[in-house]
Amino acid sequence: QKEVEQDPGPLSVPEGAIVSLNCTYSNSAFQYFMWYRQYSRKGPELLMYTYSSGNKEDGRFTAQVDKSSKYISLFIRDSQPSDSATYLCAMSQGGSYIPTFGRGTSLIVHP
Amino acid sequence: ETGVTQSPTHLIKTRGQQVTLRCSSQSGHNTVSWYQQALGQGPQFIFQYYREEENGRGNFPPRFSGLQFPNYSSELNVNALELDDSALYLCASSLPTRGGETQYFGPGTRLLVL
Repeated sequence: QKEVEQDPGPLSVPEGAIVSLNCTYSNSAFQYFMWYRQYSRKGPELLMYTYSSGNKEDGRFTAQVDKSSKYISLFIRDSQPSDSATYLCAMSQGGSYIPTFGRGTSLIVHP
Repeated sequence: ETGVTQSPTHLIKTRGQQVTLRCSSQSGHNTVSWYQQALGQGPQFIFQYYREEENGRGNFPPRFSGLQFPNYSSELNVNALELDDSALYLCASSLPTRGGETQYFGPGTRLLVL
């Protein structure tokens, strides 16, 4: 079992839909949780950064962390074709920042 | 744009050869990390440099080595290339902060080993 599990998709949704992306993990020492967006042939770009459990909202994006279930989510409201990308979750134990990444979920938002 | 650049963008090598990949970090970012991203996978941590010293290493053999220079540039060297080394190589620069960092990734170098 990998430390971080993420469904690779692809996930295809119509424009305007609410998108839910998820990761599960096995290492209870993880404290920092990140979501990155990666467009084709580009490097990952940090979207959201959360410490411990709870919710964090930034515009159309909401990140949720449930440490008791070892489950994290990213919600995208009013999805746009420009949101089409691969979304990577990442997490770390803090201190010396060495994140462990999921394999990424490919999202396609069609007009 | 993140302000992190990498060169070259693409590279083709044959098995057994050596390769050097380069990264230029954001000014003032004294930490750089290198990752390997195979097709359809997430980035795998190779190593991190802080103030020109190796500051952590992932599960990669010694033929993967690096350097960081005072001008915020760095190198990843891979000796004795193997077919499985074919991947996207990413560098990420950051300032270390208490409990975590915001990393800025470059666009990557795509390496193909034949």
